[in-house]
Amino acid sequence: DAGVTQSPTHLIKTRGQHVTLRCSPISGHKSVSWYQQVLGQGPQFIFQYYEKEERGRGNFPDRFSARQFPNYSSELNVNALLLGDSALYLCASSLDGAAGYSGANVLTFGAGSRLTVL
Amino acid sequence: SQKIEQNSEALNIQEGKTATLTCNYTNYSPAYLQWYRQDPGRGPVFLLLIRENEKEKRKERLKVTFDTTLKQSLFHITASQPADSATYLCALASGSSNTGKLIFGQGTTLQVKP
Repeated sequence: DAGVTQSPTHLIKTRGQHVTLRCSPISGHKSVSWYQQVLGQGPQFIFQYYEKEERGRGNFPDRFSARQFPNYSSELNVNALLLGDSALYLCASSLDGAAGYSGANVLTFGAGSRLTVL
Repeated sequence: SQKIEQNSEALNIQEGKTATLTCNYTNYSPAYLQWYRQDPGRGPVFLLLIRENEKEKRKERLKVTFDTTLKQSLFHITASQPADSATYLCALASGSSNTGKLIFGQGTTLQVKP
């Protein structure tokens, strides 16, 4: 069974450009979360989606947006790239993320997309 | 403000010894705490979860403790091996949150020398 897959694995952009990162969750997982990890830091939460609805948003500007498709795959979009957006972008899937769910949210991460902004 | 802190300095130990990593948090009331392992260039991998009403959890050579009074978790690797060398992350989620948002510490890098 395939794990969480992300594409592309590496990409280089210049300031002001736009980027789209893609993620396919583990089969059967309905929730996808996106995290940004800057070198030397822990992952920082950007978004969570469950059943195509946004369930949570971290402290990121509106240049960051995401969506989830009927097959539970997801895209993260970043507009007007800045040098500070250079990071490893991680996608994670989990079984549930429904409102009111109080179970532990154990995440399965993909290998990430390494974005470099020049 | 809410904070979760891990030792930023790398931990270097000799093979066979016990490694102990620390995770401290402030201004949280987490329902559970998780530990992940991350290798260079890879995504974090889940290791253990401990709930607020549990004092200790074990899995093979791994042991996690959770002290909600001290607001601290300790992560132990006994009989450490060079293959245990990696960065270890602790993560919290609030019991009131249904977003699945995890707050991660900055991670502690463990280097086990043969």
